[in-house]
Amino acid sequence: DTGVSQDPRHKITKRGQNVTFRCDPISEHNRLYWYRQTLGQGPEFLTYFQNEAQLEKSRLLSDRFSAERPKGSFSTLEIQRTEQGDSAMYLCASSLYAGNEQFFGPGTRLTVL
Amino acid sequence: GESVGLHLPTLSVQEGDNSIINCAYSNSASDYFIWYKQESGKGPQFIIDIRSNMDKRQGQRVTVLLNKTVKHLSLQIAATQPGDSAVYFCAGGGATNKLIFGTGTLLAVQP
Repeated sequence: DTGVSQDPRHKITKRGQNVTFRCDPISEHNRLYWYRQTLGQGPEFLTYFQNEAQLEKSRLLSDRFSAERPKGSFSTLEIQRTEQGDSAMYLCASSLYAGNEQFFGPGTRLTVL
Repeated sequence: GESVGLHLPTLSVQEGDNSIINCAYSNSASDYFIWYKQESGKGPQFIIDIRSNMDKRQGQRVTVLLNKTVKHLSLQIAATQPGDSAVYFCAGGGATNKLIFGTGTLLAVQP
């Protein structure tokens, strides 16, 4: 399977703990995006990278959230001091260049107890 | 602010009928629009896109119509099949590269 992959698929954590998610984009795609989706809603943009550079961050991305893409390939999204409101599906997408189709991964479902 | 929203939260159709899913948007700066299909437990799957300088685009069994005058987008699915049952989202994109999604329409295909 050469699509976008995400790990883990599910994460249950206690409030206050830190969590880290990984996204592996399609290999030749230089743009990588993170979105958050809550039940019944459309995905909300969090941030995106072009190669290793983080070019835009949403106001939704509080200082507890940090994303990296150190070698321009896989990316990680870390949430520090998780809160119950962080419970959501975290989606990663990649694309070849701006304006092109974004291919989504299966998502990581986070539950904060 | 920017928003892309849907008229109907749920659409129920009979197998074999045509489906029409509607979407309204407010951001006139979107350069393109995309329809995504999302099945339970999966990420959104690309269906079809349309550039803002077009008013119609056809794919396999799907047609997207764009009316910029009233800021309205629709997805038509011909001969709807049980496998088409899913949540459908429209999304707008532009120079900022992020996609702005609507809230989704659940399409339920009755056999």
